[in-house]
Amino acid sequence: GESVGLHLPTLSVQEGDNSIINCAYSNSASDYFIWYKQESGKGPQFIIDIRSNMDKRQGQRVTVLLNKTVKHLSLQIAATQPGDSAVYFCAESHGNQFYFGTGTSLTVIP
Amino acid sequence: GAGVSQTPSNKVTEKGKYVELRCDPISGHTALYWYRQSLGQGPEFLIYFQGTGAADDSGLPNDRFFAVRPEGSVSTLKIQRTERGDSAVYLCASSLTPGLVGDTQYFGPGTRLTVL
Repeated sequence: GESVGLHLPTLSVQEGDNSIINCAYSNSASDYFIWYKQESGKGPQFIIDIRSNMDKRQGQRVTVLLNKTVKHLSLQIAATQPGDSAVYFCAESHGNQFYFGTGTSLTVIP
Repeated sequence: GAGVSQTPSNKVTEKGKYVELRCDPISGHTALYWYRQSLGQGPEFLIYFQGTGAADDSGLPNDRFFAVRPEGSVSTLKIQRTERGDSAVYLCASSLTPGLVGDTQYFGPGTRLTVL
């Protein structure tokens, strides 16, 4: 089966600092990766995605980096804000199935 | 609709009872997915529909779980003889172009099921 894991279960950052959330995946055949943000009591919300033929993709205040050599994915959030506090999941996909890691809880300290 | 909706938002039932959870996907999305999320864990795949048919039900834990999507839109997840271990948040997601790289799943708010 698939195995997607996150390196740090919790992360605390000061407001205004940059955040980096890491993720390891195990299936070298995975060709699509997504980061989701999940706030308490809500469903996962799409943040940014990247295909396996890319190594970097930028969105608004977020950047995803993909290193296929070591099967590692990271999410960088610039100028972290209190509203960024949530659990962040990475998901890998091959075919129709998505496999999620256990999540990293990000807390932004005002 | 604007997003994926799920009803009820919360469901409390007694061990041994039957429950139905409903998902209304984004209009036009052909694919619909059910996941189960336990506390502190990521979503765990249960079943995937392409149109009306279940294309992959390999994630259903046992035959007490069943899902339907009779008209290719709304889906119902059915759980028979509920057990305390079934307590979790059940998430539904839909997507537009399943099987294509880059097809993104959009999630509903989930139904929190509690089995007493």
